[in-house]
Amino acid sequence: DGGITQSPKYLFRKEGQNVTLSCEQNLNHDAMYWYRQDPGQGLRLIYYSQIVNDFQKGDIAEGYSVSREKKESFPLTVTSAQKNPTAFYLCASSISGAKNIQYFGAGTRLSVL
Amino acid sequence: AQTVTQSQPEMSVQEAETVTLSCTYDTSESNYYLFWYKQPPSRQMILVIRQEAYKQQNATENRFSVNFQKAAKSFSLKISDSQLGDTAMYFCAFITIPNTGNQFYFGTGTSLTVIP
Repeated sequence: DGGITQSPKYLFRKEGQNVTLSCEQNLNHDAMYWYRQDPGQGLRLIYYSQIVNDFQKGDIAEGYSVSREKKESFPLTVTSAQKNPTAFYLCASSISGAKNIQYFGAGTRLSVL
Repeated sequence: AQTVTQSQPEMSVQEAETVTLSCTYDTSESNYYLFWYKQPPSRQMILVIRQEAYKQQNATENRFSVNFQKAAKSFSLKISDSQLGDTAMYFCAFITIPNTGNQFYFGTGTSLTVIP
């Protein structure tokens, strides 16, 4: 089945630790995105990538890093510089082009120990 | 600035009744696409309906329809014959054309509860 797989479903981070959230898609989509979802704030864009080896900061990129070495994969690292990482993280992908729909993964819930 | 406003944080509706969720947006672009996404308790985001701004005809998808008022920058979602499975958070979103980053702008969501 084609789709977007995010792992793990739940993740815990210790103080000062970097953690990486996985996002893999087999839809052959060019563009991939990371969003953060907090209660009452909707979805906020962290990073996006339109092609391999290229990515751009979104509205809240500080404390996060990404890579796009393969078309299928767009991992997100939450660094120790992100002081309030507890949130629900959603990965999405789309065919490049404004009219195209974004498809979402099932999300990762990150909590701080 | 591109913004989306959903002024109803929570709503409820009786099963089989009709409910309308409101959304307003702001953009200086003349061409764009508008979307409604649904996020049920599983938290999987699902596309409900899409509207192209240059089309005057309102989009419909089974029990879901929109009322698109371009001059007023309003994009409301009507759910007819509400079902228990419609209980979810609903997000309004848009993307402008041209758009170098394919960036969606989302509202803060409306939590809808369908009451049996």
